[in-house]
Amino acid sequence: NAGVTQTPKFQVLKTGQSMTLQCAQDMNHEYMSWYRQDPGMGLRLIHYSVGAGITDQGEVPNGYNVSRSTTEDFPLRLLSAAPSQTSVYFCASSYRVGDTQYFGPGTRLTVL
Amino acid sequence: QKEVEQDPGPLSVPEGAIVSLNCTYSNSAFQYFMWYRQYSRKGPELLMYTYSSGNKEDGRFTAQVDKSSKYISLFIRDSQPSDSATYLCAFYFLSGGYNKLIFGAGTRLAVHP
Repeated sequence: NAGVTQTPKFQVLKTGQSMTLQCAQDMNHEYMSWYRQDPGMGLRLIHYSVGAGITDQGEVPNGYNVSRSTTEDFPLRLLSAAPSQTSVYFCASSYRVGDTQYFGPGTRLTVL
Repeated sequence: QKEVEQDPGPLSVPEGAIVSLNCTYSNSAFQYFMWYRQYSRKGPELLMYTYSSGNKEDGRFTAQVDKSSKYISLFIRDSQPSDSATYLCAFYFLSGGYNKLIFGAGTRLAVHP
């Protein structure tokens, strides 16, 4: 049981490049979410999903896209990276909304 | 006014000290009150949660909620160097079908031998 896994661990992008951050869980959780963590700002919700095929926006969704084609995977796409997207990104999952969330190890992204 | 206020620290204490970590909040709709612990370069992990005013104890950790004052605390007794981490308070509430979990900015704690 690997829990929540994220790849890559580190990434450096140039402004305007696109990329996908991967997130997978093997706990059969319905609820998955993406957060970004910035110094002094805490964790802020980007997008979330309550099940396969269902996604919705969180607090800071601009510049990010998500999809949920399977229960296990919830990738986060940056369409055109900007320096303001430099952050640490965490994926989390829980059995259902409101249950204990399990976080992945994070992806450290730098946009130059 | 921010919905959640948490002193970022850092807080430095000697081993064996009692540590008090605090958060204030402004939203009366918050239903669940949680503390997460985050070690350096790791994801947060749930430490304690409660949904009512009062104290909840788990080993060396005690979570305290005062809904009337909109104030929550985490106490760590007999602190150990392994407790050195960032502690985030978090609040969950259900509003109009939208489920929301809000985090504090985190307090960095260092326990030195």
